[in-house]
Amino acid sequence: DAGVTQSPTHLIKTRGQQVTLRCSPISGHKSVSWYQQVLGQGPQFIFQYYEKEERGRGNFPDRFSARQFPNYSSELNVNALLLGDSALYLCASSLEGDRNYGYTFGSGTRLTVV
Amino acid sequence: AQSVTQLGSHVSVSEGALVLLRCNYSSSVPPYLFWYVQYPNQGLQLLLKYTSAATLVKGINGFEAEFKKSETSFHLTKPSAHMSDAAEYFCAVSVPGGTALIFGKGTTLSVSS
Repeated sequence: DAGVTQSPTHLIKTRGQQVTLRCSPISGHKSVSWYQQVLGQGPQFIFQYYEKEERGRGNFPDRFSARQFPNYSSELNVNALLLGDSALYLCASSLEGDRNYGYTFGSGTRLTVV
Repeated sequence: AQSVTQLGSHVSVSEGALVLLRCNYSSSVPPYLFWYVQYPNQGLQLLLKYTSAATLVKGINGFEAEFKKSETSFHLTKPSAHMSDAAEYFCAVSVPGGTALIFGKGTTLSVSS
């Protein structure tokens, strides 16, 4: 079985631009969460989606948005990019969006803002 | 609010030595606790998790952790370090009804021969 897949693996954007990151969860998993990991820090929670509904939101500005599609894949959008948005963006999938089932992480998308 | 503190941002051990990575948590309700490992340029891999069953949890690659409520700790140990254990280790907490994992800042484990 394929694990959590994220695309692209790397990308470089200019300040002020917009970016879309994509995530496909493990087959059968209905929940997707997004995390931002700045160099040298632990991951920080951005969003969780379950059955296409937003279940939780972390302390991030409105420039960050996400959605989940009927096939349970997800996109994370970041508008008006800042240098500080440079980070590894991790997607995690879970069977039911509940902690009892655990979370499986993808390899991430490395975003560099210049 | 929940939080995790990992004591020691960098731990160095010799190959074959005991590995001890420290994690203390703060939670007003019974937590679930996790240890993840991250190799360079990769995502997070689950090592083990505590979900209110046995307090001593065994994970992959010979790692284990013990939940101690009185000390609010969930330290990660391995009896004998291997060169391949060199990586970044993260402790995380989640709580009932919570949708997020709260991570510590991580501990870099170096293993020398």
